[in-house]
Amino acid sequence: DSGVTQTPKHLITATGQRVTLRCSPRSGDLSVYWYQQSLDQGLQFLIQYYNGEERAKGNILERFSAQQFPDLHSELNLSSLELGDSALYFCASSVGQPNSPLHFGNGTRLTVT
Amino acid sequence: AQSVTQLGSHVSVSEGALVLLRCNYSSSVPPYLFWYVQYPNQGLQLLLKYTSAATLVKGINGFEAEFKKSETSFHLTKPSAHMSDAAEYFCAVRSMNTGTASKLTFGTGTRLQVTL
Repeated sequence: DSGVTQTPKHLITATGQRVTLRCSPRSGDLSVYWYQQSLDQGLQFLIQYYNGEERAKGNILERFSAQQFPDLHSELNLSSLELGDSALYFCASSVGQPNSPLHFGNGTRLTVT
Repeated sequence: AQSVTQLGSHVSVSEGALVLLRCNYSSSVPPYLFWYVQYPNQGLQLLLKYTSAATLVKGINGFEAEFKKSETSFHLTKPSAHMSDAAEYFCAVRSMNTGTASKLTFGTGTRLQVTL
């Protein structure tokens, strides 16, 4: 158990809809990362937050947004969903030191129909 | 920008045989390097990490990796494969000159199959 909690585990929704994925980092970790994993794109970095502030952006679409709250949990919002957004979405956390690894949750599997 | 290349998207070994999964990195500054394993329907689990303390790094489940600067490699090995090692393995890199932990950049993964 990595200590990172992601909900829900599975999400099935229709095109055009909006969903929110939630992540609780490990206790003491200040940094949260979101990744998307799909068969054709592999593991793609979306966005990083550190202690409530956006730290880095990757290949995140404008239809997607995220935030980290004062209690350090994070939410990833996906809107105007398309079939191609179907993927596994992972949250990871770290203490924030340069040599610290990322600890991953078990992911949310999003299926857009 | 840093990147990693994993040679071989699929590797098959017999149970008890040596496991060798290849990873080469590209980085303009000294890197931190990581190996992760992903079992079906699970998240990524850290196997080991290189943070410049020692070039030979031992990880969990009997895996180890050696950092070779001259070859820009960080190959993962295990002397004797077990059926339970069947999974997907990812190499990842982060540059050292970051004030806080920046993202990890992952390779495309190697699926390890272990046969009887």
